[in-house]
Amino acid sequence: GDSVTQMEGPVTLSEEAFLTINCTYTATGYPSLFWYVQYPGEGLQLLLKATKADDKGSNKGFEATYRKETTSFHLEKGSVQVSDSAVYFCALDAGGTSYGKLTFGQGTILTVHP
Amino acid sequence: EAQVTQNPRYLITVTGKKLTVTCSQNMNHEYMSWYRQDPGLGLRQIYYSMNVEVTDKGDVPEGYKVSRKEKRNFPLILESPSPNQTSLYFCASSLLGRGANVLTFGAGSRLTVL
Repeated sequence: GDSVTQMEGPVTLSEEAFLTINCTYTATGYPSLFWYVQYPGEGLQLLLKATKADDKGSNKGFEATYRKETTSFHLEKGSVQVSDSAVYFCALDAGGTSYGKLTFGQGTILTVHP
Repeated sequence: EAQVTQNPRYLITVTGKKLTVTCSQNMNHEYMSWYRQDPGLGLRQIYYSMNVEVTDKGDVPEGYKVSRKEKRNFPLILESPSPNQTSLYFCASSLLGRGANVLTFGAGSRLTVL
């Protein structure tokens, strides 16, 4: 079945450091890929998405490129801020008969210190 | 404001005492879904609904029921809660159509079953 694997966390960085959170997936066909972010005490909100191979999603300084050859969708940001501290989830929508279901990775906790 | 509203946000109950977590959306979305979030497991889908009176099981439906009598509401029912249903629950909705299924999430309901 479909699955998403994220790098083990938690990740702790100093402000202005470079961030990479790895995400790889297993799916049949051509899934759409997402990064969702969950701030403390809140629900998940969409950070960025990509719907086909080589697409780059970007938002708020975060980027991720859909790499079909490596089945990856790594999240990157050049300079993190304290306000980026949150839990980040990689997810896929396999489409077709999955009827809108998102398959999530386990989540990566990011803490950014001043 | 476009949103998904869940209630209650926090609940402590005892084994076997029936409870309902309500979910309402004001975006006229056809698609609604329930997920549970557990540490190290990410989010897993419990049930989903493609439209009024159309519901189906997700990956972890055991011990749960849902109904979709109106487009805006999608309550989650635990007929006889057990401690293994202690979790953080999220309701989500979306417009299903072409392209990626972008979910809008509620703020979450933290349930503890003693």
